Amino acid sequence: QAQLVESGGALVKPGGSLRLSCVDSGFAFSDYYMTWLRQTPGLGLEWLSHISNSGSTIFYADSVKGRFAISRDNSKNSLFLQMNSLTVGDTGLYYCARVRPGTIEAFFDWGQGTLVTVSS
Amino acid sequence: QSVLTQPPSVSAAPGQKVTISCSGSSSNIGDNFVAWYQQLPGTAPKLLIYDNDKRPSGIPDRFSGSKSGTSATLGITGLQTGDEAHYYCGSWDSSLTGGVFGGGTKLTVL
Repeated sequence: QAQLVESGGALVKPGGSLRLSCVDSGFAFSDYYMTWLRQTPGLGLEWLSHISNSGSTIFYADSVKGRFAISRDNSKNSLFLQMNSLTVGDTGLYYCARVRPGTIEAFFDWGQGTLVTVSS
Repeated sequence: QSVLTQPPSVSAAPGQKVTISCSGSSSNIGDNFVAWYQQLPGTAPKLLIYDNDKRPSGIPDRFSGSKSGTSATLGITGLQTGDEAHYYCGSWDSSLTGGVFGGGTKLTVL
């Protein structure tokens, strides 16, 4: 069964940057819209961004718009999240997931998550 | 503060039925489909229900979903101790142009 594996989480100072990666071990990565989400003790589950299978359509949550950038490389079965101007509020466990075809709000095949800690 | 509203906790005995509510507004649940997720301790969320009432393959029919107006409900019958988890509802918000979630409901099987 295809799996999604996130990486790139780390401890970073406020104002810093990180680039998260999500690699798909399956063979149909380019068929799916993909999404990044995060989970924090304070806000629970939070949707961050969607990218279409071709990369031509992208959505962002207001909380990360202008600071985060989603991208994908279908030739490498990889999804990315470039995070800039990080704040303490961005601390959390970051997940990538597939968007179920035919939906925009149903996410499946979540990865195990990668931990981002923003602290001075 | 989550956009969708869920009760913080529910409980019921093994074998019984429980329902979890999710309340939203005309721009999210009222205008879009609802999904439900189960998060067992220490694991990532798992899709239980999509398109309000559809189950992905492998999800038992003990789990059901429904939607009416700006509210949705997850039902679980024949409760098992293994169902103890946090449950989240999610939808799309047409005004925000983004995904939204409830704050989660902790299910305790007494």
